[in-house]
Amino acid sequence: DTGVSQNPRHKITKRGQNVTFRCDPISEHNRLYWYRQTLGQGPEFLTYFQNEAQLEKSRLLSDRFSAERPKGSFSTLEIQRTEQGDSAMYLCASSLMFQWNGYTFGSGTRLTVV
Amino acid sequence: SQQGEEDPQALSIQEGENATMNCSYKTSINNLQWYRQNSGRGLVHLILIRSNEREKHSGRLRVTLDTSKKSSSLLITASRAADTASYFCATHLGNAGKSTFGDGTTLTVKP
Repeated sequence: DTGVSQNPRHKITKRGQNVTFRCDPISEHNRLYWYRQTLGQGPEFLTYFQNEAQLEKSRLLSDRFSAERPKGSFSTLEIQRTEQGDSAMYLCASSLMFQWNGYTFGSGTRLTVV
Repeated sequence: SQQGEEDPQALSIQEGENATMNCSYKTSINNLQWYRQNSGRGLVHLILIRSNEREKHSGRLRVTLDTSKKSSSLLITASRAADTASYFCATHLGNAGKSTFGDGTTLTVKP
């Protein structure tokens, strides 16, 4: 297991298109998180899963955003009808639920909406 | 809005010098973490300090936590050019899944 993997690394899309990102967490980690980071800012929480259950969603997550984690393994984050304001780095992280000792982050997916 | 605020926003030092970054937060926490982020990459966890701890060391890193002042500091001793990165603090409460990140300190270490 080489850590948290995110695909694609970069995505350029036209405004109004739908995009989907994938995250493969560390296999032993039962929690998976999505954060969004814009230039010069710290990561902002979007949502997290414990196994397959989505336990919390930020108010930042509009109804154009949806995340899934079927079978409690990998997760997908879909953005429908993208807007220029969605341009950001989307970061996935995973962790253990018990003996929590911080996140392991992936390298992120850089989304550019043109 | 972010809970943590790092200070300074940017710091430039010579290799071999020490770098100190500060983080202030607003609400009660269970622990506070520090992360490093190289340009265009994900964040790397450096150290976690729990609310009942006052100081923690890891290699060239020293973290302090003052819960009465709601503040933490990260000291990097004998800095190297490879330490050039952005550094973020993040606060965590209870069994809540999310952490709240500050906007980071950008550290430049000149060789």
